[in-house]
Amino acid sequence: KQEVTQIPAALSVPEGENLVLNCSFTDSAIYNLQWFRQDPGKGLTSLLLIQSSQREQTSGRLNASLDKSSGRSTLYIAASQPGDSATYLCAVSYGQNFVFGPGTRLSVLP
Amino acid sequence: DAGITQSPRHKVTETGTPVTLRCHQTENHRYMYWYRQDPGHGLRLIHYSYGVKDTDKGEVSDGYSVSRSKTEDFLLTLESATSSQTSVYFCAIRDIGTGGAFFGQGTRLTVV
Repeated sequence: KQEVTQIPAALSVPEGENLVLNCSFTDSAIYNLQWFRQDPGKGLTSLLLIQSSQREQTSGRLNASLDKSSGRSTLYIAASQPGDSATYLCAVSYGQNFVFGPGTRLSVLP
Repeated sequence: DAGITQSPRHKVTETGTPVTLRCHQTENHRYMYWYRQDPGHGLRLIHYSYGVKDTDKGEVSDGYSVSRSKTEDFLLTLESATSSQTSVYFCAIRDIGTGGAFFGQGTRLTVV
């Protein structure tokens, strides 16, 4: 059974810091890994998707890496801003379904 | 937003009543999913569909049924709502090109 964990569960940083969110999964037989952002009371917005054959993806200040063999992914956020405050979830595509991590709640303080 | 619309967006219903939530998509995606999201439990799969009339159970399917008579619509039914089904329900599709998941805006259901 695939299990996805995320560390830390919560993170509070001052504005301008670079930060790293971690995602781990137990079974490396994945098709892809996806990072989402969720604002309070809102839906999930896809940020980055890394196919299993890729090592990383970048979008603006966000960079996600994937090490399938070790079952790990990181989301790097450069020069954090208060608008980055949200919950970040990772998910792996596994079989016909997706398995989600519990999320990291990020607060960026002005 | 991958053309996914959920309705209703909010609903309050009484225990024991039937409730149907609708997910509508406009881009002919084959795979559709229903999840519930609860504090402390994250996102959990209820049911999914891999084509018209083709559905299967997820990890928390008890008390729920689904139907997919058309490609664009995936319905989730609570036959007799209970307070434990108070939750936020999300519909998602799998994009055939990227294999990624894309979500609707969610339905907040309260069972009183």
